Amino acid sequence: QKEVEQNSGPLSVPEGAIASLNCTYSDRGSQSFFWYRQYSGKSPELIMFIYSNGDKEDGRFTAQLNKASQYVSLLIRDSQPSDSATYLCATRGRRGKLQFGAGTQVVVTP
Amino acid sequence: DAGVIQSPRHEVTEMGQEVTLRCKPISGHDYLFWYRQTMMRGLELLIYFNNNVPIDDSGMPEDRFSAKMPNASFSTLKIQPSEPRDSAVYFCASGTGGDYGYTFGSGTRLTVV
Repeated sequence: QKEVEQNSGPLSVPEGAIASLNCTYSDRGSQSFFWYRQYSGKSPELIMFIYSNGDKEDGRFTAQLNKASQYVSLLIRDSQPSDSATYLCATRGRRGKLQFGAGTQVVVTP
Repeated sequence: DAGVIQSPRHEVTEMGQEVTLRCKPISGHDYLFWYRQTMMRGLELLIYFNNNVPIDDSGMPEDRFSAKMPNASFSTLKIQPSEPRDSAVYFCASGTGGDYGYTFGSGTRLTVV
């Protein structure tokens, strides 16, 4: 079992709709959780981080964390074609180790 | 700040040759990570350092790979000898280990022929 699991997609989302991405992790010692966006041929770019249970909102993005269920999610509201990318979930464990899931490809269709 | 700087951006080498990838982290960052990304395996953690000391190298594929961090502003990843299956994009990332994430460099695209 991988330490961080994501559905690979692609997740097809109509423009203006909500994209919902999910991530589960196996290490209960994980302390912080991150969502990175990666455009094709580019490096990953941090878009959200969360470390407390509940929701965290930043613009059109909302991250949700449930440590009891070992579950992290990302909602993208009012999806735009520019949101088409691969979204990587990452966890920071003990001693600062940063592990990534395989990523979910999102395709926003006009 | 110029961000995390990696060099070279692209490297094409013949099988059996030594390859050295370089990384300059953001000043003040005390964590440095090396990742490898391929379509098949995604983003794999190879090794990471804290305060220039290797903390976990369990992701290094085999003895052909080695990494060093002689000081806080420079790290290298060396492959000797290189093989075609080493072809991938290699990323370096740095951070402070807090809750604010880590910043990636632009990556080195390595092709071994």
